[in-house]
Amino acid sequence: DIVMTQSPLSLPVTPGEPASISCRSSQSLLYSNGYNYLNWYLQRPGKSPQLLIYLGSNRASGVPDRFSGSGSGTDFTLKISRVEAEDVGVYYCMQALQTYSFGQGTKLEIK
Amino acid sequence: EVQLVESGGGLVQPGGSLRLSCGASGFTFSTFEMNWVRQAPGKGLEWVSYISSSGDRIYYADSVKGRFTISRDNAKNSVYLQMNGLRPEDTAVYSCVRRSGDYYFDYWGQGTLVTVSA
Repeated sequence: DIVMTQSPLSLPVTPGEPASISCRSSQSLLYSNGYNYLNWYLQRPGKSPQLLIYLGSNRASGVPDRFSGSGSGTDFTLKISRVEAEDVGVYYCMQALQTYSFGQGTKLEIK
Repeated sequence: EVQLVESGGGLVQPGGSLRLSCGASGFTFSTFEMNWVRQAPGKGLEWVSYISSSGDRIYYADSVKGRFTISRDNAKNSVYLQMNGLRPEDTAVYSCVRRSGDYYFDYWGQGTLVTVSA
């Protein structure tokens, strides 16, 4: 089974400042077709998760361009260029190469 | 509008059984792969089970293998999760989730709460 490890688990950020979340997988998520099977989700308080980034670096429809995903193989990063109040919630990475598994989640809060 | 509505949750004693249902609308159900994902109170997301569009491929998380059974009825636009041998650690909100062709989960139901307690 592929284990996903996120850091940090808690992320206090001042509005307008950048933020970065790391996600590492126990096995490479890079498939022979050149795609990394790694997705990012945001779960706002009391809501269902929403897709932010798919296949490592593709922004989902309607997601602001301040969100970006990068990385390949086993190391991935979600970056928020300028944090806004509405970005509060728990961020999860999820691998989709071998069934599915999520990271522990990173709770972003506003300072 | 895509909608996924779960039902069937509730309080059950350890060792008991429950059958969850998820009704889908707003899309051609028979062409999409479906999943169940759970979230224990105050905890993170855990993938539980997957079923292909035709039902010929099924996968489970190790934590539920041998106890849970996923199925679907494309004529009724529904997916099910039969849960047997329930344990306190199965207590969670269970959500029905659609998978897109690009291997991401794009639509989630609001979930149904399963509580396993004596």
